[in-house]
Amino acid sequence: EPEVTQTPSHQVTQMGQEVILRCVPISNHLYFYWYRQILGQKVEFLVSFYNNEISEKSEIFDDQFSVERPDGSNFTLKIRSTKLEDSAMYFCASSPQARELSYEQYFGPGTRLTVT
Amino acid sequence: AQTVTQSQPEMSVQEAETVTLSCTYDTSESDYYLFWYKQPPSRQMILVIRQEAYKQQNATENRFSVNFQKAAKSFSLKISDSQLGDAAMYFCAYRSRYGNSGNTPLVFGKGTRLSVIA
Repeated sequence: EPEVTQTPSHQVTQMGQEVILRCVPISNHLYFYWYRQILGQKVEFLVSFYNNEISEKSEIFDDQFSVERPDGSNFTLKIRSTKLEDSAMYFCASSPQARELSYEQYFGPGTRLTVT
Repeated sequence: AQTVTQSQPEMSVQEAETVTLSCTYDTSESDYYLFWYKQPPSRQMILVIRQEAYKQQNATENRFSVNFQKAAKSFSLKISDSQLGDAAMYFCAYRSRYGNSGNTPLVFGKGTRLSVIA
């Protein structure tokens, strides 16, 4: 069964450094998302992406964040200058094209980001 | 903006027994989707069950079923014949049906941690 994959599974970085989190959505999906979960808290929406542009973003998704689909398979989240409070689990998700199927989002296993 | 509330931070159930997890939500929309996601210690988000708001019939997936009360904006999850593998964090989530062809984000509750006692 096709699945969303994410790399790395765990990333440790120093405050102020740039990080890029990578996701490979399911191949025939066209809608992509990033969510964040700070330890012990709920999952929060960051951004959605369709047709090579951002569809919607939350207040969390400020100028430090950017997303990109650099090729036909990868979907990346970049944090330009990490802060301690960026430490969290980051989940990528994707949805299929067909309207009647588009309500389900398939999640990847997550990348645990630790900022020291 | 929509909100999702899970009032039970923790629940426990004996193996083979039944447990119900509560979820309420607030929305002014009439058409939307509701979901329960399971997050085991691996922290992978796994879809357990979904409900379309326009369907009156409660969704069922094997041992998992929901009690969807649209007027009350309530969406509880019932787990029957609980198994040790059911132990996890359970998140209730809402998704608007409106937007760019299904591109609307999920809004999650804070979760309920379920323990299963052998």
